[in-house]
Amino acid sequence: QKEVEQNSGPLSVPEGAIASLNCTYSDRGSQSFFWYRQYSGKSPELIMSIYSNGDKEDGRFTAQLNKASQYVSLLIRDSQPSDSATYLCAVYNNNDMRFGAGTRLTVKP
Amino acid sequence: EAGVAQSPRYKIIEKRQSVAFWCNPISGHATLYWYQQILGQGPKLLIQFQNNGVVDDSQLPKDRFSAERLKGVDSTLKIQPAKLEDSAVYLCASYRSMGSTEAFFGQGTRLTVV
Repeated sequence: QKEVEQNSGPLSVPEGAIASLNCTYSDRGSQSFFWYRQYSGKSPELIMSIYSNGDKEDGRFTAQLNKASQYVSLLIRDSQPSDSATYLCAVYNNNDMRFGAGTRLTVKP
Repeated sequence: EAGVAQSPRYKIIEKRQSVAFWCNPISGHATLYWYQQILGQGPKLLIQFQNNGVVDDSQLPKDRFSAERLKGVDSTLKIQPAKLEDSAVYLCASYRSMGSTEAFFGQGTRLTVV
């Protein structure tokens, strides 16, 4: 069974703080890793993708991947109330995209 | 470019009734997925199409769920008969091609079975 596990949360951080979201996966053959943001009642939207070990930065978002530890994370710097949403970790291997259950993030003004 | 279109947005049915959902992917996108998202959970893959052919339907409860994409464009997902546990949001996602990894999601259809 290919599993994608995330901290269920909810995670609450004050405005301006760093939010840290974590994800582990069981399929060692996984090739690509994604973070989707899903606002309540809306569909998921892609915010970050990462394919190789290390860090990838895009604005206030940094994705980190460690394939040896089967671990991927998302850091959100200078968190804003508009970042309040559920963040889904997705793992791709051989035409199979698996999602975690998501972590609900609340950024308090 | 226009996004993935789904209809209806909401549907309420009684258990044992039938229901159908429709998806129109982004023009030119060959790959189409149907996902089921139960409240508080991540999307779960039901079926994957490449053009009009099924690539993976291993997680589709075939005793009650069916899906088709006859002309390789629009797709329909049907549940017959529905059960209470089918209450969920049904998401359609399209990808440019096999091997593409960026999913473009529709708004989803929220199904409530009472």
